[in-house]
Amino acid sequence: DVKVTQSSRYLVKRTGEKVFLECVQDMDHENMFWYRQDPGLGLRLIYFSYDVKMKEKGDIPEGYSVSREKKERFSLILESASTNQTSMYLCASRPGSAGRYEQYFGPGTRLTVT
Amino acid sequence: AQKVTQAQTEISVVEKEDVTLDCVYETRDTTYYLFWYKQPPSGELVFLIRRNSFDEQNEISGRYSWNFQKSTSSFNFTITASQVVDSAVYFCALSEASGYSSASKIIFGSGTRLSIRP
Repeated sequence: DVKVTQSSRYLVKRTGEKVFLECVQDMDHENMFWYRQDPGLGLRLIYFSYDVKMKEKGDIPEGYSVSREKKERFSLILESASTNQTSMYLCASRPGSAGRYEQYFGPGTRLTVT
Repeated sequence: AQKVTQAQTEISVVEKEDVTLDCVYETRDTTYYLFWYKQPPSGELVFLIRRNSFDEQNEISGRYSWNFQKSTSSFNFTITASQVVDSAVYFCALSEASGYSSASKIIFGSGTRLSIRP
């Protein structure tokens, strides 16, 4: 079974803090993704990575950065958290092989910025 | 441009009823993939099925079945004899098979919240 884990299920941070959300997958997948999910807005892609040290912006990268130093780990960084970044954050991974486009998701981190 | 439409925002049925979740998609590609995901109250998205654009065979897995019709650009999901544990938000999604496969992103529909009443 594919296993994607996220460092925290719930997180409360203050405005202006630097926040790290960690994601680890154990299936040697090349591709990893970070989404945020908000009521009425669905899932929106923040960043994705197709290899170690490689990253590409998704649809809403502003206010976020990412790091992928090892294949199994993909970190999302909020440089200076703001209240509008309060959301559910979902990490996903998938293989790099053609035809295997489904993504496997972690349990999510519900972040509250006060 | 890709688009996935799930017109049913919420559905509520009584346990043991059959229920169909609708999904309509738009794409200009001839090669693409369709998916269904389940998101229970715990929050994790669970992958249910993948279908590629060349395979229009219907799929059945236990109480779940999927009907893919290219002529109407639809990929509907039916739950037979629904159970309370089926209560969740269900997402339909689409991915185009671009030349650079790793860059293929998934576009999700807005989801249908399914409530099964005992």
